[in-house]
Amino acid sequence: GQQVMQIPQYQHVQEGEDFTTYCNSSTTLSNIQWYKQRPGGHPVFLIQLVKSGEVKKQKRLTFQFGEAKKNSSLHITATQTTDVGTYFCAGLTSGTYKYIFGTGTRLKVLA
Amino acid sequence: GAVVSQHPSRVICKSGTSVKIECRSLDFQATTMFWYRQFPKQSLMLMATSNEGSKATYEQGVEKDKFLINHASLTLSTLTVTSAHPEDSSFYICSAHPGLAGAPSSYEQYFGPGTRLTVT
Repeated sequence: GQQVMQIPQYQHVQEGEDFTTYCNSSTTLSNIQWYKQRPGGHPVFLIQLVKSGEVKKQKRLTFQFGEAKKNSSLHITATQTTDVGTYFCAGLTSGTYKYIFGTGTRLKVLA
Repeated sequence: GAVVSQHPSRVICKSGTSVKIECRSLDFQATTMFWYRQFPKQSLMLMATSNEGSKATYEQGVEKDKFLINHASLTLSTLTVTSAHPEDSSFYICSAHPGLAGAPSSYEQYFGPGTRLTVT
């Protein structure tokens, strides 16, 4: 079945350092969404990417969708302690109506 | 954004009993709701898709007789864990989106706060 993998699984950074998580799907996606889950909380929607090669920015966060629409990345510039949490990508395969969540990347920011 | 509630937030039950979890979309109509299960420090595993007015669609490996789903209205879906066992202990999260039932959707999913189930 379809698999969506994320690397790294964990990342510890010093506050102020940059952070990137990568999302790779075994199948071509029609779109991809990114979510953030704080410890003890539920996933919160961050953004959606639809077009091949699309790049979107939200303040310090930059999201990218690969040309082949099989991978995506989330880059955080100058991390802050409020960025702590697990970041999930969720991919939608063409012709389906359900999102498959990636394995997640847990980010810890050290002050 | 849209709000989805879940009740209860935490439940402890004895092995062999059944537990019902409610998922409500508070300010929009959700023709489709999703039920996920999340083990500690793991990803969200889709269990089933709940469609208003029709039978739920279960993912491979999910026992439909054990996890009963009812989507009785456009704002309410329920998940009943029947004859619960300790291995059913987990974090159950629902999500909803306002898209068309059964259709590919580009809508974001709105997640409920989750229900922590502990079976003793």
